[in-house]
Amino acid sequence: KNEVEQSPQNLTAQEGEFITINCSYSVGISALHWLQQHPGGGIVSLFMLSSGKKKHGRLIATINIQEKHSSLHITASHPRDSAVYICAVKKGGSEKLVFGKGTKLTVNP
Amino acid sequence: DTGVSQDPRHKITKRGQNVTFRCDPISEHNRLYWYRQTLGQGPEFLTYFQNEAQLEKSRLLSDRFSAERPKGSFSTLEIQRTEQGDSAMYLCASNPGNTEAFFGQGTRLTVV
Repeated sequence: KNEVEQSPQNLTAQEGEFITINCSYSVGISALHWLQQHPGGGIVSLFMLSSGKKKHGRLIATINIQEKHSSLHITASHPRDSAVYICAVKKGGSEKLVFGKGTKLTVNP
Repeated sequence: DTGVSQDPRHKITKRGQNVTFRCDPISEHNRLYWYRQTLGQGPEFLTYFQNEAQLEKSRLLSDRFSAERPKGSFSTLEIQRTEQGDSAMYLCASNPGNTEAFFGQGTRLTVV
């Protein structure tokens, strides 16, 4: 079983819809990252969080340390949000990130 | 553009050849990471440097793989005697400490 599981694997939405992507992990962590990857490979960091909630524009990330679960929300989705969203955790005592397989989001106009 | 540069962007090589990739991190970042990503999967950790010291190395990294960061600035990743299973995107990331990571665009390796 992977240490980081994301759901759903694929998500198709209509422009304007509210989107939620979930991430569950099974190890002790010091931080959780949400990343965005566009076709061609480039990865952009969206959030790094260790507790609570962060907001940036239309993106909101939450984490529940006790339940080992995080969610990424996108409000008023737009076709330019189409990308793969990846959850990654930094395990306690290590510098490496352990990644989920990603959620491929397609937002149709 | 995150400020992390990787070269080359694409590399096609014949099985058995050696290849070397370069990563130039953001200049003030003392931490540098290499990851490998195969199609449809999330990236996997390969190795981590703090300045010039290689502090963590994945068991995924066979003896054919070696990474260096000689002056604590740019880093190289060499793969010797490439195999078809080495075909992947090789990603470099850097950060100045316990913060978000900045990723390069990656080097896509195809071994034929």
